[in-house]
Amino acid sequence: DTGVSQDPRHKITKRGQNVTFRCDPISEHNRLYWYRQTLGQGPEFLTYFQNEAQLEKSRLLSDRFSAERPKGSFSTLEIQRTEQGDSAMYLCASSLGATRVETQYFGPGTRLLVL
Amino acid sequence: AQKITQTQPGMFVQEKEAVTLDCTYDTSDQSYGLFWYKQPSSGEMIFLIYQGSYDEQNATEGRYSLNFQKARKSANLVISASQLGDSAMYFCAMRDGNTGNQFYFGTGTSLTVIP
Repeated sequence: DTGVSQDPRHKITKRGQNVTFRCDPISEHNRLYWYRQTLGQGPEFLTYFQNEAQLEKSRLLSDRFSAERPKGSFSTLEIQRTEQGDSAMYLCASSLGATRVETQYFGPGTRLLVL
Repeated sequence: AQKITQTQPGMFVQEKEAVTLDCTYDTSDQSYGLFWYKQPSSGEMIFLIYQGSYDEQNATEGRYSLNFQKARKSANLVISASQLGDSAMYFCAMRDGNTGNQFYFGTGTSLTVIP
């Protein structure tokens, strides 16, 4: 399978714990995005990488959230001291930059439940 | 102000019939892109179709077509010959100079295809 993959698919954690999610983009894609989606809403942008550089961050990304993309390949999203409001689907997408259309291709997401 | 508005929370269509899902957008940019994604219950966002603001023809991809009315700022998705597998959430999204590289999504429309 050459699509975007995410791990884990589901995560249940207790409030206050730290969690880390991984995203593996389509191999030739240099751009990687993280989105958060809550029930009944569309995805909301969190952050964006071009290769290994984090170029944009949303105001939604509080200081408890950190994302990395070492070597410009896979990316991790860490949430520290989780809160119940962090419960959501976390989606990763990748795209091939510098194209006219630049469609973003999404992974299956990680569903997070904070108890 | 909402950048993407989807006014139909839920829609029903008879199998083999056509259905139109509404999307209006708000941007002051001349150059922008409009996208439709399908999200089945499994959670993965599946790219369906793209329309660029400078594209003179309405986009078509198989059974999907986009009714682009630039003056009205609408980009409705038309699904012809509906199939049971079309039952899903459908999201309209936009990328423009203001949103940068991120997509801005609407709240989605839940489509149910009735046998």
